[in-house]
Amino acid sequence: GAGVSQSPSNKVTEKGKDVELRCDPISGHTALYWYRQSLGQGLEFLIYFQGNSAPDKSGLPSDRFSAERTGGSVSTLTIQRTQQEDSAVYLCASSSSLVASNEQFFGPGTRLTVL
Amino acid sequence: AQSVTQLGSHVSVSEGALVLLRCNYSSSVPPYLFWYVQYPNQGLQLLLKYTSAATLVKGINGFEAEFKKSETSFHLTKPSAHMSDAAEYFCAVSDNTDKLIFGTGTRLQVFP
Repeated sequence: GAGVSQSPSNKVTEKGKDVELRCDPISGHTALYWYRQSLGQGLEFLIYFQGNSAPDKSGLPSDRFSAERTGGSVSTLTIQRTQQEDSAVYLCASSSSLVASNEQFFGPGTRLTVL
Repeated sequence: AQSVTQLGSHVSVSEGALVLLRCNYSSSVPPYLFWYVQYPNQGLQLLLKYTSAATLVKGINGFEAEFKKSETSFHLTKPSAHMSDAAEYFCAVSDNTDKLIFGTGTRLQVFP
């Protein structure tokens, strides 16, 4: 389909390992967002991109988290030295432009489990 | 700072009964308000949004919500619940920074 896709759908890793989560937004969408959904914290904003730039990184929980977007399309969220508290569902969303009233279209998420 | 409060983490109704899911917001600027639904093992899907046009907003699947500035509320309603409405519902607010601030969610159960 033409929706937002994320990979992998599930990721199990050991504490201390690095992981990369991928998001493919809807074609033509210039705005891309990452959120985290966890039992203790609900849905939290992590970072957004307008094109390839990320003007707001305030939601990243620590410097172990980073994200990039290349070619105005695919984005990768990287978590270094994973900790058990990083276990959550990571959701990606895209929007046609960076306008607050625009709908954000969400992908199915990546469920990350850190053992 | 913006915030959203959803009263009731769990709501149970009988099939055919009224659904009322509560959402109150806090915002220093005129807000944009959204309701999203998440079915089991799926991503979030937009139900409806308020963007300062009509205060009564109609969405998909028979849901609607009314923006009440005096009460800082944006409650979600549906006149008659269906079994397929069982899901988790999230209220969210967005200001000019464009990111969504979500409430903690309300899980709706529908009993036959």
